[in-house]
Amino acid sequence: NAGVTQTPKFQVLKTGQSMTLQCAQDMNHEYMSWYRQDPGMGLRLIHYSVGAGITDQGEVPNGYNVSRSTTEDFPLRLLSAAPSQTSVYFCASAGGLTDTQYFGPGTRLTVL
Amino acid sequence: EDKVVQSPLSLVVHEGDTVTLNCSYEVTNFRSLLWYKQEKKAPTFLFMLTSSGIEKKSGRLSSILDKKELFSILNITATQTGDSAIYLCAVEDNNDMRFGAGTRLTVKP
Repeated sequence: NAGVTQTPKFQVLKTGQSMTLQCAQDMNHEYMSWYRQDPGMGLRLIHYSVGAGITDQGEVPNGYNVSRSTTEDFPLRLLSAAPSQTSVYFCASAGGLTDTQYFGPGTRLTVL
Repeated sequence: EDKVVQSPLSLVVHEGDTVTLNCSYEVTNFRSLLWYKQEKKAPTFLFMLTSSGIEKKSGRLSSILDKKELFSILNITATQTGDSAIYLCAVEDNNDMRFGAGTRLTVKP
């Protein structure tokens, strides 16, 4: 098993550009989530999904969209990047809402 | 290869017990170690440790880091059923943050 994979590992965007952060897992997990990690702050939940076709907002959803067309993939889209979105983004998956979450390696995004 | 290892993976105690959770790591260019409590949707931040030997405390929870031996412990005294959760350790270096597999703590009444 590859576990949770994320691409790209690093990305630099200009303000206003759009991009998609990819996340995939091969553990047949129903629950997937996206977090951002900022210096001095804990993980903050952006969006999550409890299964294919189902997504919901987390603590900081503004400026981000997600979709879950398959169990394996959970892409995160930035429609119009802003400097405030400079952060490290983690994707995680779990068998269920209260199960151990497996984290991907992270994507370090800089918005200029 | 950089890694973060938590132990035990699972622990069952009774209310009032004291527990110690362990996190050992091997990373280059260490910056910080973070502890989280995960109950439902998202992990809740507990502590961030950057310096050896300085205990961080919050109520019944405390944590300390040993940068020489490359580990941290999370102590919970007088455990309560509400402490039941998965406790995650994460280690940050210059480029990455790596998560351990977590310790599932169950506190029985």
